[in-house]
Amino acid sequence: SQQGEEDPQALSIQEGENATMNCSYKTSINNLQWYRQNSGRGLVHLILIRSNEREKHSGRLRVTLDTSKKSSSLLITASRAADTASYFCATGLHTGFQKLVFGTGTRLLVSP
Amino acid sequence: DAMVIQNPRYQVTQFGKPVTLSCSQTLNHNVMYWYQQKSSQAPKLLFHYYDKDFNNEADTPDNFQSRRPNTSFCFLDIRSPGLGDAAMYLCATSKDRVDTEAFFGQGTRLTVV
Repeated sequence: SQQGEEDPQALSIQEGENATMNCSYKTSINNLQWYRQNSGRGLVHLILIRSNEREKHSGRLRVTLDTSKKSSSLLITASRAADTASYFCATGLHTGFQKLVFGTGTRLLVSP
Repeated sequence: DAMVIQNPRYQVTQFGKPVTLSCSQTLNHNVMYWYQQKSSQAPKLLFHYYDKDFNNEADTPDNFQSRRPNTSFCFLDIRSPGLGDAAMYLCATSKDRVDTEAFFGQGTRLTVV
């Protein structure tokens, strides 16, 4: 069964606006990672946040993690048309090795 | 500067005809993964190698096998593809087994006819 679930499933915004995506998960984690996938292509790692961290920034990306609520959010500020993609959260479960379990993703459309 | 390379990008195979997908990496990473991603679904881990140590997921069908002849290369063999095996197959690597990001290839889209 899936560990992560993103919300919303789809998001449509204008260039320059901020986009917020949420991820909820079920079990204890070592870390949570966000990936981007352009249509029909592989996934690109965006950011990793460890279970003892609450917030992390990378360029226009801001990720928060609330382990008490088992949730994370990804904020993309000042979005661009090039940000159009699907965004997945993946939880790193410590089962002897870091097994990444992906959620269903949020499809983001940024219109010029 | 591709670091994880999958070949081919598109593969068409006949129902029941064995097919092999390949993945190579220039990162010298210890871990290599194979994921299956069906349309509009989350990537699902099939198996992974830690160096030469093979680790199968419990729900990966026996129809799926893998080989890793050396650090750089990993193969996914589908012994008798069914229509339900049509999907994007993603290869990924990571430096280690814990607390580390994964690097993905562009994927191979498999069509079964």
